[in-house]
Amino acid sequence: TQLLEQSPQFLSIQEGENLTVYCNSSSVFSSLQWYRQEPGEGPVLLVTVVTGGEVKKLKRLTFQFGDARKDSSLHITAAQPGDTGLYLCAGRNSGGSNYKLTFGKGTLLTVNP
Amino acid sequence: NAGVTQTPKFQVLKTGQSMTLQCAQDMNHEYMSWYRQDPGMGLRLIHYSVGAGITDQGEVPNGYNVSRSTTEDFPLRLLSAAPSQTSVYFCASSYLLRGGTDTQYFGPGTRLTVL
Repeated sequence: TQLLEQSPQFLSIQEGENLTVYCNSSSVFSSLQWYRQEPGEGPVLLVTVVTGGEVKKLKRLTFQFGDARKDSSLHITAAQPGDTGLYLCAGRNSGGSNYKLTFGKGTLLTVNP
Repeated sequence: NAGVTQTPKFQVLKTGQSMTLQCAQDMNHEYMSWYRQDPGMGLRLIHYSVGAGITDQGEVPNGYNVSRSTTEDFPLRLLSAAPSQTSVYFCASSYLLRGGTDTQYFGPGTRLTVL
């Protein structure tokens, strides 16, 4: 089983601060996704990165896929209370046909007004 | 277009009881899957299906059965509920891409408690 380690597990910050969440593995992934989950709901896809070194921006969120495709980061600029939620990374195995996503344990972000 | 629907939203069972968690999608997705989410454990794959009549085991399949008789429906059966199966269950679906799957769409979840 390929493992994805997310850090930190919990993060509590004030509105306006910047933060970075990390997703690391010893395995190579063909693609990596970031999801956000709000209480009582299912996860919702934020972004998919597929190329080593790729950077994608979604408003105040910046996602990066490591050059070796083993790690990824999510950076939020000027966090707002609406960013509060559980952030999950999920990777798809590299090589061959594989439909399974491996999820990290998540980072629970709280942005205080 | 309702997306992915799950019923029931909440369920309480006694140890040894059986039940079926329902999942349906109206997006004509080939791929469907079941996950369980426990505190501090993230999402763990139970079973998945790449099309009607085809199912396979995920990371934690013991104690669960699935079937896929139609493209739309993918029910999850608990044969004899145990307290260790207390969890939140999510169903997800997506299109299949060459070598993998497209964006996963998740249902709202079923919160199951086994006493």
